Amino acid sequence: QVQLAQSGAEVKKPGASVNVSCKASGYAFTNHWMHWVRQAPGQGLEWMGIINPTGDIAFYAQNLQGRVTMTRDSSTNTVYMELSSLRSEDTAVYYCATDHSNSKPNAWWFDPWGQGTLVTVSS
Amino acid sequence: SSELTQDPAVSVALGQTIRITCRGDSLRSYSASWYQQKPGQAPLLVMYATDNRPSAIPDRFSGSNSGNTASLTITGTQAEDEADYYCNCRDTSSNYWAFGGGTRLTVL
Repeated sequence: QVQLAQSGAEVKKPGASVNVSCKASGYAFTNHWMHWVRQAPGQGLEWMGIINPTGDIAFYAQNLQGRVTMTRDSSTNTVYMELSSLRSEDTAVYYCATDHSNSKPNAWWFDPWGQGTLVTVSS
Repeated sequence: SSELTQDPAVSVALGQTIRITCRGDSLRSYSASWYQQKPGQAPLLVMYATDNRPSAIPDRFSGSNSGNTASLTITGTQAEDEADYYCNCRDTSSNYWAFGGGTRLTVL
């Protein structure tokens, strides 16, 4: 079935980097843009960025510019999100999600979502 | 502006109807999607392109839009509908997708 399987939980020290992976199966991964979304403990969803099917175009949330990098590997149907210079505020569950769109009306939606990866930043 | 505003919390009696709203300038031009999130679970798409329901979502869920406000309506609310609900819409002037702050639905 259509699913996204993410890598396991991580514990990092402030200033370090983390790389989260998301492997797709059950659908044409190479046809879709991919989003990353995070959720801090007890908080709402925060959009982080999106990467195109060929991996050469990515757009990032302004507050993460310079610290986040999204890449993808078509040979393994996997997308990656690296976040550097980690601080305690980056402690969150990180989700990948598949982008869908329709030009009439102008609509975009996220489906499916990965199961989430908890990243804890602590000294 | 890319900001989307939701009421933080709403409640509904079992079997009754509840409308959850999402307001933002981008909704005048682009369609909203809606996500249900239960504790400890990943978000689940429940409505897309304003009023389209994924096949696995019960037909008691419906969506609509009027001006700058998108709505998710649950008719005949069930106990299992208790969850957080988030709207999302692309910003009209940049490559940014905003989430609303979320609405916690309590079923009484």
